[in-house]
Amino acid sequence: NAGVTQTPKFRVLKTGQSMTLLCAQDMNHEYMYWYRQDPGMGLRLIHYSVGEGTTAKGEVPDGYNVSRLKKQNFLLGLESAAPSQTSVYFCASSYYRGTNGNQPQHFGDGTRLSIL
Amino acid sequence: GQNIDQPTEMTATEGAIVQINCTYQTSGFNGLFWYQQHAGEAPTFLSYNVLDGLEEKGRFSSFLSRSKGYSYLLLKELQMKDSASYLCAVRPYNAGNMLTFGGGTRLMVKP
Repeated sequence: NAGVTQTPKFRVLKTGQSMTLLCAQDMNHEYMYWYRQDPGMGLRLIHYSVGEGTTAKGEVPDGYNVSRLKKQNFLLGLESAAPSQTSVYFCASSYYRGTNGNQPQHFGDGTRLSIL
Repeated sequence: GQNIDQPTEMTATEGAIVQINCTYQTSGFNGLFWYQQHAGEAPTFLSYNVLDGLEEKGRFSSFLSRSKGYSYLLLKELQMKDSASYLCAVRPYNAGNMLTFGGGTRLMVKP
């Protein structure tokens, strides 16, 4: 059982280049999320999806786009990379069964992205 | 909005007990999660509280007081492998399953 798989694990880009980070989950979760983690700032939500074909903005969406064409996949795109986007990116997924439920998010191993 | 505060770093001795505190201010509350994150790895789920009181899971326990906006994670019989960051995350009410994370507490366990 793979859980949440992110590719690539590492990447170095030059300013202005574009790339797509891939996330796949095999737990049939409805919700998927993209976070970035920077030193001293914890995890910040970039975009999320509550189901196939739907996406929504999180706390720090600027400079990123996402797509959820299939339930198991959630893609994060950087159209024109900037040094401020150097970070560790985590994808996560979860069930949603209504309020008050114990529905933890399950995280992938992360993508370490450096923008020069 | 949400504001979540945790100490940045803590140090404890192998075999001891350590308590990691988390205070939060939120416009609505619908649960609090604790995650463990080893350096260079993914966060992994530890515990969940939505009602006041203590939840125990082996060496780890988590406590919640909703009226005080306060939670703590208690780690007993510390082991070297418990050296990690511990993340407190709050799920606001009417926000689906979205979480707001604190900055994390880096715990160093010394022999």
